[in-house]
Amino acid sequence: DQQVKQNSPSLSVQEGRISILNCDYTNSMFDYFLWYKKYPAEGPTFLISISSIKDKNEDGRFTVFLNKSAKHLSLHIVPSQPGDSAVYFCAATGSARQLTFGSGTQLTVLP
Amino acid sequence: EPEVTQTPSHQVTQMGQEVILRCVPISNHLYFYWYRQILGQKVEFLVSFYNNEISEKSEIFDDQFSVERPDGSNFTLKIRSTKLEDSAMYFCASSVGTRVYEAFFGQGTRLTVV
Repeated sequence: DQQVKQNSPSLSVQEGRISILNCDYTNSMFDYFLWYKKYPAEGPTFLISISSIKDKNEDGRFTVFLNKSAKHLSLHIVPSQPGDSAVYFCAATGSARQLTFGSGTQLTVLP
Repeated sequence: EPEVTQTPSHQVTQMGQEVILRCVPISNHLYFYWYRQILGQKVEFLVSFYNNEISEKSEIFDDQFSVERPDGSNFTLKIRSTKLEDSAMYFCASSVGTRVYEAFFGQGTRLTVV
């Protein structure tokens, strides 16, 4: 069951540059999308979200873009910092009271 | 900042044994969840719980699993007879309302079944 897919298991970027993490989904019933950040030995921490009625949401260095027709969302981090190094999970939810997660992308920001 | 706490951080148990994973949700939260992540795989939904009963559960949450809020502060996940494939990180989460996307996650309990 691959309703939410993150096709890149890892990404490395230079400090100060942009990080772009991608996520695709297949379930048209999803109406809310989230990005979580996870450090080792910690639980997922909510980062930013977007409703399906929007195509962009921005919070400081983090921006999430949603392309409903392509069933694609992305997370942009500008500028990237070494402390951003973590696993980033895309997640989605619809009417059900549960989150469906992607497999995660390990982001490494190089100093 | 309020947080969801889970104990123990790591539990090793023999196959066939019962195990109870404990969680203390954020105090004013009303909705509780368990998720798990098998090593190298996705975080998967197990169950949601509200008003002392299960709201939703996934296919993973079979008769071997049960949840309970025994005393108004703890929220527990019991696995009756553990299998090797139950080895995973188990995450508890809680939210104040029905919006699961506002849930806070605990740090997880690593369960190792040997």
